[in-house]
Amino acid sequence: AQTVTQSQPEMSVQEAETVTLSCTYDTSENNYYLFWYKQPPSRQMILVIRQEAYKQQNATENRFSVNFQKAAKSFSLKISDSQLGDTAMYFCAFILLTGGTSYGKLTFGQGTILTVHP
Amino acid sequence: DGGITQSPKYLFRKEGQNVTLSCEQNLNHDAMYWYRQDPGQGLRLIYYSQIVNDFQKGDIAEGYSVSREKKESFPLTVTSAQKNPTAFYLCASTLGLISGELFFGEGSRLTVL
Repeated sequence: AQTVTQSQPEMSVQEAETVTLSCTYDTSENNYYLFWYKQPPSRQMILVIRQEAYKQQNATENRFSVNFQKAAKSFSLKISDSQLGDTAMYFCAFILLTGGTSYGKLTFGQGTILTVHP
Repeated sequence: DGGITQSPKYLFRKEGQNVTLSCEQNLNHDAMYWYRQDPGQGLRLIYYSQIVNDFQKGDIAEGYSVSREKKESFPLTVTSAQKNPTAFYLCASTLGLISGELFFGEGSRLTVL
């Protein structure tokens, strides 16, 4: 079974600064996707960024970028120029794309609460 | 607008009662999921369905049941057999595994009195 671990229950950052959220995962498979989801206080979960495991280039979406280290099974999220609206819980997630009991199932980490201070 | 609608947003239940949470999507997505969210435990998968009339147990299916009679609908029943049902429940859907992106509803908060 796949597992996803976020070791930082809470993080805080000053507005306009950069923060990095950590995520590690465990799988013996090669074909999978990794995600970062954001859950703001309003509760609706939205996708922040996605990384395909077969791609060596790190994904980037505006102020959000990832550091994907496949051999180390690490997938951290960097938020640059933090804004007050970035305050949310962030979840790292994994989905297997080949056969097996985890096929089609998204596995989430425990979440990291990020607070951006003015 | 396309999206996922969960109802009710807040629900109170007495012990021993079954309760059904509704999840409807108009995104024409094939796969639908139910997650339970508890503080400090992230999201845990209860059930998922990749096609109409078929569904699979997730990691914490005991005490829950689902049906998938229509593509648009995936209701979750929390039965009296669920020992600790108070939680926040999230429904999600995805077009397919190629994108992998899940679209979420706003959630339902169930409180057992």
